[in-house]
Amino acid sequence: DTAVSQTPKYLVTQMGNDKSIKCEQNLGHDTMYWYKQDSKKFLKIMFSYNNKELIINETVPNRFSPKSPDKAHLNLHINSLELGDSAVYFCASSQDGVGGAEQYFGPGTRLTVT
Amino acid sequence: AQSVTQLDSQVPVFEEAPVELRCNYSSSVSVYLFWYVQYPNQGLQLLLKYLSGSTLVKGINGFEAEFNKSQTSFHLRKPSVHISDTAEYFCAVSAGGSNYKLTFGKGTLLTVNP
Repeated sequence: DTAVSQTPKYLVTQMGNDKSIKCEQNLGHDTMYWYKQDSKKFLKIMFSYNNKELIINETVPNRFSPKSPDKAHLNLHINSLELGDSAVYFCASSQDGVGGAEQYFGPGTRLTVT
Repeated sequence: AQSVTQLDSQVPVFEEAPVELRCNYSSSVSVYLFWYVQYPNQGLQLLLKYLSGSTLVKGINGFEAEFNKSQTSFHLRKPSVHISDTAEYFCAVSAGGSNYKLTFGKGTLLTVNP
């Protein structure tokens, strides 16, 4: 069973379009995250939700909007896509949000904006 | 705020040789430290973590790391590497207490050659 799953795995789209990436975890975790990994492999947190409540929102453009319909899902919607949004987006989850909790990562979604 | 510096962006080694991947961190509070591995086209997987207690931490796949508070380091070591250890390795830190944020270093690409 996949612990943290993301769909789609690959996403190719044109500038200006709106797209969504879905994430689901079946680990019963309370906290979920979105990370962006750029072309140089640098990983940066974007958002974190705990029990459906937004707790981290790192200087991310307003075009990015996370939505958590329940504890097991955290989706990422991106409006008006730009070339610079091309990256691999990772979803992750942890049992809770305290500093020592291990985060479990999904396989990633490679977004290419042309 | 915390930060992580991985001193080597690439480390090439021959199979069965020992390897050390270096990581230094900075934080104004106590920290938790992690090493994650990313195999090509996959998500991240936890290798090991330091929360408290013994400064020598053993992880999966024969890896270990030593926490050195005075030098603010958390170097990763393996006495004998295999071809299958070729991957990107990320050091990460989160502050103690209720802090959901995991800050990653820029990664070290370990390439094991036959």
